[in-house]
Amino acid sequence: ILNVEQSPQSLHVQEGDSTNFTCSFPSSNFYALHWYRWETAKSPEALFVMTLNGDEKKKGRISATLNTKEGYSYLYIKGSQPEDSATYLCAPFNDYKLSFGAGTTVTVRA
Amino acid sequence: DAGVTQSPTHLIKTRGQHVTLRCSPISGHKSVSWYQQVLGQGPQFIFQYYEKEERGRGNFPDRFSARQFPNYSSELNVNALLLGDSALYLCASQQGTANTGELFFGEGSRLTVL
Repeated sequence: ILNVEQSPQSLHVQEGDSTNFTCSFPSSNFYALHWYRWETAKSPEALFVMTLNGDEKKKGRISATLNTKEGYSYLYIKGSQPEDSATYLCAPFNDYKLSFGAGTTVTVRA
Repeated sequence: DAGVTQSPTHLIKTRGQHVTLRCSPISGHKSVSWYQQVLGQGPQFIFQYYEKEERGRGNFPDRFSARQFPNYSSELNVNALLLGDSALYLCASQQGTANTGELFFGEGSRLTVL
């Protein structure tokens, strides 16, 4: 079982502000890192699949970077909106499984 | 196209009973995985099936079993239920088994054991 840590556990953001949070994972035997967004009472939705060191992906106002050598990834939300309120999960994927962190719960205040 | 569907959405059982949870993957997806999510934690891997064969098993007791059918749907069975089995059980489907392949999740089956 991989030790995947996400910080902070939760954060509150004012609408319009930008924010970021961290995912740390073991750097050895790395294959891919998945980011998911999970809104309450819905299913987790894939945001990004990242594989290359230095990779940067973007979807609308959300972007992510990856450092496989030191074992971390940042997820950024620019100009937060109430609809960005969700739990964001990261998970390395190898040996047929995702190893999820506990997530960062983002609450955007209007 | 329909996404991943799971049934039932909610169920209540008592200790010692068994439960069967069902999952229908996205059409064309041959891989199904099961995850258990307990409040405050990230989902934990239970099983992965591909082409009806078990490809991976997480750190769960033998009370947990699963199978995949010729139409790629899957069942998760849990015997001799314990209070600690109360959780949200998520099913995910994937086209293949590649580490870079996106997994598509259902909304889950919430099991409460009394």
